Amino acid sequence: EIVLTQSPGTLSLSPGERATLSCRASQSVSSSYLAWYQQKPGQAPRLLIYGASSRATGIPDRFSGSGSGTDFTLTISRLEPEDFAVYYCQQYGSSPGFTFGPGTKVDIK
Amino acid sequence: QVQLQESGPGLVKPSQTLSLTCTVSGGSISSGSYYWSWIRQPAGKGLEWIGRIYTSGSTNYNPSLKSRVTISVDTSKNQFSLKLSSVTAADTAVYYCARGDLLGTDLWGQGTLVTVSS
Repeated sequence: EIVLTQSPGTLSLSPGERATLSCRASQSVSSSYLAWYQQKPGQAPRLLIYGASSRATGIPDRFSGSGSGTDFTLTISRLEPEDFAVYYCQQYGSSPGFTFGPGTKVDIK
Repeated sequence: QVQLQESGPGLVKPSQTLSLTCTVSGGSISSGSYYWSWIRQPAGKGLEWIGRIYTSGSTNYNPSLKSRVTISVDTSKNQFSLKLSSVTAADTAVYYCARGDLLGTDLWGQGTLVTVSS
């Protein structure tokens, strides 16, 4: 089973700053099957990025994904107030388990 | 538009079986190349993938839960279901149903809290 590790655990930034979130896999993940989700308190997760770098429908272009193999990155170019949330990566190409990373919390500095 | 809604008991006794149903509205569960998933989240913790099912009936489960999990689908009712047996307090969580395909898990239910307690 592929294990995902996310860093940092918490990222404290100000609105307007750039956020860089990391997701590392214990073994190679097909780039076609790495996704990023945003979750706010009391809400279900929302799909941001699929296929490592493709934005989901309706996602602003300040969100971008990159990476391949075992190292992936989610970048938020300029943080808006609504972007402060928890972000999860997920691999969904390797059965049997479509594992999630432990999450990175982006909070207001 | 397509929506998902979880339903089932909010309280389950230890050692019993947790049963939840997800109803798909606004579209057919059989349309497209989707799979239908269950994901859970204990309070204050991260997401845990439980398993998925295609409308063909093909399933995949989280290896850590496989011995206790059954996911089934009823296309006539536009529903899919989760059964988790021999529950303990560690199974207390918000349970989400969701839709996925090659483009990720793009549609989620609002989630339902299930508490395991006597």
